[in-house]
Amino acid sequence: RKEVEQDPGPFNVPEGATVAFNCTYSNSASQSFFWYRQDCRKEPKLLMSVYSSGNEDGRFTAQLNRASQYISLLIRDSKLSDSATYLCVVNAGSARQLTFGSGTQLTVLP
Amino acid sequence: EAGVTQSPTHLIKTRGQQATLRCSPISGHTSVYWYQQALGLGLQFLLWYDEGEERNRGNFPPRFSGRQFPNYSSELNVNALELEDSALYLCASSILHRGLSYNSPLHFGNGTRLTVT
Repeated sequence: RKEVEQDPGPFNVPEGATVAFNCTYSNSASQSFFWYRQDCRKEPKLLMSVYSSGNEDGRFTAQLNRASQYISLLIRDSKLSDSATYLCVVNAGSARQLTFGSGTQLTVLP
Repeated sequence: EAGVTQSPTHLIKTRGQQATLRCSPISGHTSVYWYQQALGLGLQFLLWYDEGEERNRGNFPPRFSGRQFPNYSSELNVNALELEDSALYLCASSILHRGLSYNSPLHFGNGTRLTVT
């Protein structure tokens, strides 16, 4: 089993839709969780950290479910500019290496 | 605060040559990660350095190597370049927070685009 796994995607949604991505992790001791966004041929950029109680930043909501070992990202009122690949990152393994999921591609359609 | 800086921005080499890529982390960050991203593909983990030590390496041949210097900057060396080494090489820095259980987020540089002809 991979240490960090994401929804396979791709997701194609109309503007204004709500879309959710999940990311599962294998190490129950993981403590750090992040969502990144990567645009084509650019470096990944931090979208938001994920806190135990869940957190929101505008149209974006991140949640952590420790019991089931997954994190989620909810995007409300999707914009064309939200089209990107979304990557989850978890500190995995005994060494706490920050490990990326393989990413989920989102395309928001006009 | 200066971000992660990588040099050079672009690098063109021929097969069989060696390439050296450099990365300066954000001030105070002790962990440096290297990734390879070929066109249209996902991030492939190459190397992780923390406090001057190699902590882990990805599934790449030994001709990919690197080091981290006392000032936490890092170098990635690729020997005997092959055409398939053409990719965007990304460096990212973070803080491991030893003694605690969490990491700070990764911050990426703009990358070095390596072209092997």
